[in-house]
Amino acid sequence: QTVVTQEPSFSVSPGGTVTLTCGLSSGSVSTSYYPSWYQQTPGQAPRTLIYTTTTRSSGVPDRFSGSILGNKAALTITGAQADDECDYYCVLYMGRGTWVFGGGTKLTVL
Amino acid sequence: QVQLVESGGGVVQPGGSLRLSCAASGFTFSNYGMHWVRQAPGKGLEWVTFTRYDGSTKYYVDSVKGRFTISRDNSKNTLYLQMNTLRAEDTAVYYCVKDVAWAFDVWGQGTVVTVSS
Repeated sequence: QTVVTQEPSFSVSPGGTVTLTCGLSSGSVSTSYYPSWYQQTPGQAPRTLIYTTTTRSSGVPDRFSGSILGNKAALTITGAQADDECDYYCVLYMGRGTWVFGGGTKLTVL
Repeated sequence: QVQLVESGGGVVQPGGSLRLSCAASGFTFSNYGMHWVRQAPGKGLEWVTFTRYDGSTKYYVDSVKGRFTISRDNSKNTLYLQMNTLRAEDTAVYYCVKDVAWAFDVWGQGTVVTVSS
């Protein structure tokens, strides 16, 4: 069974830039997996940030960007702010009507 | 604005059943696929099931196949999740989510399902 991998935790300084990644336990992530990214604050519903690798969801600031870096999907946050501190999840569409979430990355801004 | 409001969660004994509903507004419901996504306490997100805009095709994660059924009533702008033979591991917040291009777009606020004796 293929596992979607994310860094369990990451830290960034206020104003800094951080890149979170989303990989596969076997194989490379490409645009064919339609990678997407979600932000979740504890106790709240997730918020969609990026879909189809690079498309920002409505209302998402351009500090958030998506890409493919090497064999992984990536979410880059520039100019990190205190309220960016939360959990980030990626999702890959595995085909045949199956979507798989990564385990999530807990981002700390300090 | 697009809004999704889930209801129907609660406490149920193992082996019991529950039906969740999701009322949609602010968009043409009958034009969009819809998902259910869940999150167990203290855990990550898990995709559960998807239905095409017209209900003609449905997909499920392996752990719920044969127990859960997704359906929709486009005349009522409502999505449903019938959950049977519930297990402790089905305990979670269940989110109704609008589809966008093989991903998740707008999320509801979630409804809590607790399976416990």
